[in-house]
Amino acid sequence: AQSVTQLGSHVSVSEGALVLLRCNYSSSVPPYLFWYVQYPNQGLQLLLKYTSAATLVKGINGFEAEFKKSETSFHLTKPSAHMSDAAEYFCAVSDNTDKLIFGTGTRLQVFP
Amino acid sequence: GAGVSQSPRYKVAKRGQDVALRCDPISGHVSLFWYQQALGQGPEFLTYFQNEAQLDKSGLPSDRFFAERPEGSVSTLKIQRTQQEDSAVYLCASSLGRSYNSPLHFGNGTRLTVT
Repeated sequence: AQSVTQLGSHVSVSEGALVLLRCNYSSSVPPYLFWYVQYPNQGLQLLLKYTSAATLVKGINGFEAEFKKSETSFHLTKPSAHMSDAAEYFCAVSDNTDKLIFGTGTRLQVFP
Repeated sequence: GAGVSQSPRYKVAKRGQDVALRCDPISGHVSLFWYQQALGQGPEFLTYFQNEAQLDKSGLPSDRFFAERPEGSVSTLKIQRTQQEDSAVYLCASSLGRSYNSPLHFGNGTRLTVT
């Protein structure tokens, strides 16, 4: 069975600082991995996805994530945080079935 | 825009009442998913349709939960005899193909509060 663990339910950074949101997965087969973002009062939207084409995946709004099989990790990073990045971020895994298994989410706060 | 539309946006039900939540997916999207998101948690899979066929309902928590998509477009999630533990945000998502190949487009959800 697949699962996702997001370390840190809350992360706070200053504007301009590095953003690092952690995600570790468990999967018995090569996984498909995703990061979704949820802004207040909005639906989840896809930031980026890993589907085995390249280990470093670039997404929207300057975010990227690196798939590390040896560490079973798929951490999300952004070099310089912006106030508009404040949101809840969800990591998700799929094992070739049609459903996504989501983590519990990390709320990102950005301070001026 | 032509995104995924869910109604109602908020629903308050007394314990024991039946509720029906509606989802209008993006036109032409084959796949439709329902997720339940409890407060402070990530979305949890409930059920999945490909066109009108319900291919996976393994996440439905009890036989009080029922979902349908009779014409392969609009879907309804019905909860009978609501209980307090049913209070959550119910998310609908649609995609052109299978979820790992095509991005999921989520609606804004229906927040159900059972009193």
